[in-house]
Amino acid sequence: SQTIHQWPATLVQPVGSPLSLECTVEGTSNPNLYWYRQAAGRGLQLLFYSVGIGQISSEVPQNLSASRPQDRQFILSSKKLLLSDSGFYLCAWSERVSGNTIYFGEGSWLTVV
Amino acid sequence: GENVEQHPSTLSVQEGDSAVIKCTYSDSASNYFPWYKQELGKRPQLIIDIRSNVGEKKDQRIAVTLNKTAKHFSLHITETQPEDSAVYFCAASLTSGTYKYIFGTGTRLKVLA
Repeated sequence: SQTIHQWPATLVQPVGSPLSLECTVEGTSNPNLYWYRQAAGRGLQLLFYSVGIGQISSEVPQNLSASRPQDRQFILSSKKLLLSDSGFYLCAWSERVSGNTIYFGEGSWLTVV
Repeated sequence: GENVEQHPSTLSVQEGDSAVIKCTYSDSASNYFPWYKQELGKRPQLIIDIRSNVGEKKDQRIAVTLNKTAKHFSLHITETQPEDSAVYFCAASLTSGTYKYIFGTGTRLKVLA
């Protein structure tokens, strides 16, 4: 069966520090991969999605970036965090064919102080 | 651009009553409509979904209806229980070769005992 795992689960970072969140998917090949952000008590904002290695589409201009160095690995990064980057970050995957269920990782709580 | 509107933003019902959450999508090419339940501090979990070739789907106390002409779909929960209290998100799969999922803004459901 397919599993998705992201880490770290929680982190507290100072303003201006770098960020790296990592996500891996097991049990499937060529998945679509996504990064969503959820501010406290708010909805799900799509940040990035990827349909293949090295293929990244950005939905919201910001100081975050994403990379997909391997088929089942998706990384969210920032060189310098802002206070507004705080939130709940969710990695997700779906099968390559459109119209398939999207499954979320456990999430990473980021607090920028 | 693509959009999914969700109403209401909050909903309180008495235990045993029914709850209905409605969503409207803008892209007529959308063909897959999942619903997610998110408990506090946890990841969204799929509870039911419907494809565009079906008008209604039911799973025990949960049902989803789809009106393609009007481009709206609804979640129906009958005989609500306190454990149904959570935030519910609808989503629409955008098929224009991008495999994106756009989520509604969420509905906070409170079931009062």
